Amino acid sequence: AQSVAQPEDQVNVAEGNPLTVKCTYSVSGNPYLFWYVQYPNRGLQFLLKYITGDNLVKGSYGFEAEFNKSQTSFHLKKPSALVSDSALYFCAVRDNGDSSYKLIFGSGTRLLVRP
Amino acid sequence: NAGVTQTPKFQVLKTGQSMTLQCAQDMNHNSMYWYRQDPGMGLRLIYYSASEGTTDKGEVPNGYNVSRLNKREFSLRLESAAPSQTSVYFCASALSPYNEQFFGPGTRLTVL
Repeated sequence: AQSVAQPEDQVNVAEGNPLTVKCTYSVSGNPYLFWYVQYPNRGLQFLLKYITGDNLVKGSYGFEAEFNKSQTSFHLKKPSALVSDSALYFCAVRDNGDSSYKLIFGSGTRLLVRP
Repeated sequence: NAGVTQTPKFQVLKTGQSMTLQCAQDMNHNSMYWYRQDPGMGLRLIYYSASEGTTDKGEVPNGYNVSRLNKREFSLRLESAAPSQTSVYFCASALSPYNEQFFGPGTRLTVL
């Protein structure tokens, strides 16, 4: 069965500094990986995905993520954080060998960018 | 386009009452999903519909039923609400099970 872990409940970073939000996964087949962001009292918004191809994926709002198969990781990164990036971030994984089509979400990481 | 819409936005029920959460999408997506979000637990899949005419259980289906009314609409029913069903419920849709999902604004449900 697939699973995903976000080891940090909260990440704190100063505005202008680079940020990383960590995600590791476990699947039996090949992974489809996603990052979503949730602002207060809102639904989740899609940021980026990895299906196949280039290990570095670029997404919305200047975010990018690097797929590392050997470390089974898909960390979210941004070169220069903004206060407006403060939100709850979710990593999600689907096993492309799983016919159930289920997308499994991590528990979320709260990003706090201080001015 | 409105995207994914959900009604109601808020609801308070007493234990044992029933209700239906409505979800509709106008993106011509084939797949639709219902999740619940609880603090510290991320999102958990309740039911999903990979395509019109099919529905399947997710991680936490007990106490819920769903209906894929047509391609646009996917409803979630609580037959006899329990306090453990207090949560925020999100509906999502996707072009296919292989594509990214688009989420509605959520329904905050409290069961007393």
